[in-house]
Amino acid sequence: EAGVAQSPRYKIIEKRQSVAFWCNPISGHATLYWYQQILGQGPKLLIQFQNNGVVDDSQLPKDRFSAERLKGVDSTLKIQPAKLEDSAVYLCASSSDGNQPQHFGDGTRLSIL
Amino acid sequence: AQSVSQHNHHVILSEAASLELGCNYSYGGTVNLFWYVQYPGQHLQLLLKYFSGDPLVKGIKGFEAEFIKSKFSFNLRKPSVQWSDTAEYFCAVTPYSSASKIIFGSGTRLSIRP
Repeated sequence: EAGVAQSPRYKIIEKRQSVAFWCNPISGHATLYWYQQILGQGPKLLIQFQNNGVVDDSQLPKDRFSAERLKGVDSTLKIQPAKLEDSAVYLCASSSDGNQPQHFGDGTRLSIL
Repeated sequence: AQSVSQHNHHVILSEAASLELGCNYSYGGTVNLFWYVQYPGQHLQLLLKYFSGDPLVKGIKGFEAEFIKSKFSFNLRKPSVQWSDTAEYFCAVTPYSSASKIIFGSGTRLSIRP
């Protein structure tokens, strides 16, 4: 089975610029998650989708972060404008439903200069 | 607020030594519990999970974990580690009623001396 695909693998931008990440979950997985993992910390859930609806976005900094999953398959996460503290690895994960273990992608490592 | 504590940030062992990584959580209700592992250069992957039933859970590669409800703990164990177990290990918890509220611990880095 193909895994969760993410792109790009690495991104370097200057503060105040915008950036977007893409995720394609495992085929048939209804639930999709975006996490932020800062160096030395565990992943922190930013947003969870069930099909194309948002289940939980309580930890998403909505003044600068946005995410969508328009057709219930792939998803994009955007940061606009980026701040230095956004430097992290952004992980996408999917599961067949919200109660099943998650399958993770390789992540996008974002560096803000 | 719900939280997960992994007190060991970095553990260094020799091959064949026994391993126990601590995980404690704070949540008053029923929980689902997970251990994920991240090998160098690879993505996070599930090691084992506990949903209900036998509190001693066996996972891949000889790992096991024991859920002790009275201690709010879910420690990971392996009787004899190998060099290939070098990785970062994350404990995670979700309330049984709300799988979206998953909380990860800060991780434990395990280094195995060959």
